[in-house]
This record gives sequence, C-alpha cells and structure tokens, in this order.
Amino acid sequence: AQSVTQPDIHITVSEGASLELRCNYSYGATPYLFWYVQSPGQGLQLLLKYFSGDTLVQGIKGFEAEFKRSQSSFNLRKPSVHWSDAAEYFCAVAMNRDDKIIFGKGTRLHILP
Amino acid sequence: GAVVSQHPSRVICKSGTSVKIECRSLDFQATTMFWYRQFPKKSLMLMATSNEGSKATYEQGVEKDKFLINHASLTLSTLTVTSAHPEDSSFYICSATAHQAYEQFFGPGTRLTVL
Repeated sequence: AQSVTQPDIHITVSEGASLELRCNYSYGATPYLFWYVQSPGQGLQLLLKYFSGDTLVQGIKGFEAEFKRSQSSFNLRKPSVHWSDAAEYFCAVAMNRDDKIIFGKGTRLHILP
Repeated sequence: GAVVSQHPSRVICKSGTSVKIECRSLDFQATTMFWYRQFPKKSLMLMATSNEGSKATYEQGVEKDKFLINHASLTLSTLTVTSAHPEDSSFYICSATAHQAYEQFFGPGTRLTVL
C-alpha cells in the first residue's frame, strides 16, 4: 500500500532563511507526487507536482521539489521564506494522475520575524 | 483554473440530525470526486471516491450508511452525515477531477460542528 511520511511535525525558520521540508514515500512503482499548502482557514492549494521527466520540479510561490528515486524522497525547498509562507504543508502520493491521493500527516511551518 | 466550491462553509447541528454538504465543480465536468475528512491539526483522511452515476467506493473503516455520498451529475456530489454525533465534528473537504486530468482540485472545506 502507498504511504507518505513527513518526519517533521513542526519546522521553524527565520524569515529570509532557506527551507527544506522532508517527504518520503512508499510505493513499488514511480508514484505521482504532490505538495500542497493549507493556510489557516483556507483550502488546499497545489504547490507543485511530479509525474515524470525532470526530477527537479518548479512550483508556485518560489517553491521547488526534487524527486530522488534512490531515496524514495520528494523534498520541498525554498531559498528564502517569507512570513506569508507560514502554513501547513502536505506531501501526497497517488498511483495515477487522477487516482485517489494519499496525504502525509503534514508539517507545520512557523516563520520567525 | 478549475474551481470547486462547497456549501455550506460552516454548519452547526444538533446531535441526531442529518447534514448535507454539497461539492460543485464550477467550470469543468468532474467524472470523479473525492471526500476527505480532516481532524484538527491532523492530515486529510480519504473517506470515499465517487464516480458520476455509480455508487461511491468507501475506504476501509468508513461507515457507508452513516456517510451517504451521491454523485448524480458531472458537477455535483453530496455528502450526507446521517444521525450526526459530536464525534462527527470535523472539517470535510471534497476534491474533483476530470477523466485523465493532471490533478485534483480541492474545495475550500466545510466545518461541521455537532452539538
């Protein structure tokens, strides 16, 4: 069965600092991978997705993620965070592009001024 | 971009009553809709997958007689929480996708509080 692990429940970084959120997946084949962000009181917004091709994926709001098959990872990065990036971030996996999505438990990002 | 709406955004009901939540795809035909439940400070748990015109497929552990899902048209799916109890209080989120689409589009969620 597919599963997604986000090992960090909370991450705190200073504004302007770089960010990396970790995500590991468990799935036999190459999965479809996603990162979503959920701000307080808001719905889910897709940051980026990986289906195939270039393993470094660019997303919205300056985020990027790198798919590493050998490590079964899909970590999210941003070179310089802004206070508005404070939110809950979810890594997710699916077997097919329009199949059900399995979410990780999320990482809460806190930004220090 | 594709837009998915949910109604109501927030509902409070008494224990024992039933509550209906609507999920609509506003600018595309959703062949498949998904219903998720999110507990406070927790991840999203998939409840069921709904295909237009057919019965929903429920995830293990989800009571299909309690959480009734109807997907009567390509733009509307409904989730009815029957005989609601306080433990049903949660944030319910739907998503929609079209056939061979590249992503799911999520609604803003519905906050259900059962007194």
